[in-house]
Amino acid sequence: AQSVSQHNHHVILSEAASLELGCNYSYGGTVNLFWYVQYPGQHLQLLLKYFSGDPLVKGIKGFEAEFIKSKFSFNLRKPSVQWSDTAEYFCAVNEPGGYNKLIFGAGTRLAVHP
Amino acid sequence: DAGITQSPRHKVTETGTPVTLRCHQTENHRYMYWYRQDPGHGLRLIHYSYGVKDTDKGEVSDGYSVSRSKTEDFLLTLESATSSQTSVYFCAISESVEPTDTQYFGPGTRLTVL
Repeated sequence: AQSVSQHNHHVILSEAASLELGCNYSYGGTVNLFWYVQYPGQHLQLLLKYFSGDPLVKGIKGFEAEFIKSKFSFNLRKPSVQWSDTAEYFCAVNEPGGYNKLIFGAGTRLAVHP
Repeated sequence: DAGITQSPRHKVTETGTPVTLRCHQTENHRYMYWYRQDPGHGLRLIHYSYGVKDTDKGEVSDGYSVSRSKTEDFLLTLESATSSQTSVYFCAISESVEPTDTQYFGPGTRLTVL
């Protein structure tokens, strides 16, 4: 079965530091890849997604992610984090034609200190 | 934000009692999903629906049933609640299963089973 691994469960950064969150998936076929963010007390919001084309995907709030097929990875990056980026980040994958069922990683909790 | 509401938003119940959670959407989207969120597990799919009266099981469906008699409502029922079903439950909707479409999430229901 498809699975998603997020290597960092908790990340603590200072403002202006660079961020990279790891995500690996297990399926060898064609996949769609997503990063969602959950701010404290709020529902999940889509940050960005990849389904085809340029493997470097830009999302909202200055986030980007790179799909590396050979490494089964879809890491999330931001060059300079802000306190407002404090949230939990989830990587997810689905299989095309599979009713859009999402398989999520366990999440990475990011705390940004001023 | 997508027009998704969940009710109740918080519920405390006792082991063995039946519980029904409601997801209501105003977007007329065809696809609806129920996920549960638990620390260390991310979100896991319980059940999903691909049309009125069309539902199927997800990864963690044991102990749960669903019904969809109208496009706008997707009900999740715990026939006899157990402590292991203490969780935050999220409903999601999607207009289609095309990769260009986004899955939108509701605000969540926090359920505690004592």
